[in-house]
Amino acid sequence: NAGVTQTPKFQVLKTGQSMTLQCAQDMNHEYMSWYRQDPGMGLRLIHYSVGAGITDQGEVPNGYNVSRSTTEDFPLRLLSAAPSQTSVYFCASRSSGTGLDEQYFGPGTRLTVT
Amino acid sequence: DAKTTQPPSMDCAEGRAANLPCNHSTISGNEYVYWYRQIHSQGPQYIIHGLKNNETNEMASLIITEDRKSSTLILPHATLRDTAVYYCIVRNSGNTPLVFGKGTRLSVIA
Repeated sequence: NAGVTQTPKFQVLKTGQSMTLQCAQDMNHEYMSWYRQDPGMGLRLIHYSVGAGITDQGEVPNGYNVSRSTTEDFPLRLLSAAPSQTSVYFCASRSSGTGLDEQYFGPGTRLTVT
Repeated sequence: DAKTTQPPSMDCAEGRAANLPCNHSTISGNEYVYWYRQIHSQGPQYIIHGLKNNETNEMASLIITEDRKSSTLILPHATLRDTAVYYCIVRNSGNTPLVFGKGTRLSVIA
């Protein structure tokens, strides 16, 4: 299994540009989520999904959109990038069996908005 | 807001046990205690979780007090590779998300 994969690894955007961060998992996990981590800070939840077709907002959803059309993929869209969105973005997945399973994280996408 | 309180940083000598405390005084009966760690800039890694009994796996031991208001993660023989930020998280079963606090930065010193 490749686990949780994220692309791209690095990205530089100009203010106002839009882009999609990709996340995929090959573990047939129902639950997927997106976090951002600012320098020296903990992770903050952006959006999450408990299965295909179902998404919900986390702590810091503004400026981001998500959709979940397949079990495997959970893309994160930045609608109009702002310097405040400069951060490292982590995608994660876990099985929803009992909800107690460990959560697997991807390697992260490092985004800079100038 | 995170439901846990952890010291911002700790040091531990290599080869010694690292004991990382976590306070979760408002934990409810159906909430579990989870520990994750993040090494440098990598994605967080699951370590262990428990409800009320002590738990042990190949990475660590988790000791939960009888009143469940606090817990301690124990790395029995810390190595330099255990230097990381350790996050204590409480959540119930089901589809509630993991909410991270600021964690404890553990530095293992040679």
